[in-house]
Amino acid sequence: EVQLLESGGGLAQPGGSLRLSCAASGFSFSNNAMSWVRQAPGKGLEWVSAISGSGGSTYYADSVRGRFTISRDNSKNTLYLQMNSLRAEDTAVYYCAKVWGGGYFDYWGQGTLVTVSS
Amino acid sequence: EIVLTQSPGTLSLSPGERATLSCRASQSVSSTYLAWYQQKPGQAPRLLIYGASSRATGIPDRFSGSGSGTDFTLTISRLEPEDFAVYYCQQHGSSRWTFGQGTKVEIK
Repeated sequence: EVQLLESGGGLAQPGGSLRLSCAASGFSFSNNAMSWVRQAPGKGLEWVSAISGSGGSTYYADSVRGRFTISRDNSKNTLYLQMNSLRAEDTAVYYCAKVWGGGYFDYWGQGTLVTVSS
Repeated sequence: EIVLTQSPGTLSLSPGERATLSCRASQSVSSTYLAWYQQKPGQAPRLLIYGASSRATGIPDRFSGSGSGTDFTLTISRLEPEDFAVYYCQQHGSSRWTFGQGTKVEIK
């Protein structure tokens, strides 16, 4: 059974940093691209970042490029999102998702809430 | 960046009725890279349709997708009580992913 478990969310001050983790199990982690998708309170889904299976290719939404860094440790089956220079508009539930086929998100974690506020 | 516009914003229907949800792209999208998701309150999204018309594993056949180019449709043939939720379309291309703003299907 595929499982994705996010952690690391919480309260951060504007300009601060947080690192999210996503522990994966039940599939061949290193053979699959992974992604982060967020959802601000009461709003829709927004793609944030993606990374290839090897970690050699990374992709970012314009809204986070230069501030967020996606990475992975295939020996630990874990995906990360380092978030720096946080802004109030980064407040959201952050989901990690497995990427499959033509760029579909076929499995999702339960999400972790990030709140940016002073 | 390709923008996906979903309509209507809210669809008020009764159980047993047919639901037709629209997703329009700002430029042509390959059907291969078009998907639909369902999200219920407090839950993560669930993949329903991929490749514009293929049902994901375990998705009932009352859900169907169609369309090509810039116009795509998700149809729920007969609404069950568990189908009242928010639905998102999503596309992937040029190393970017985008979602539509969502259509809420609510009980009338």
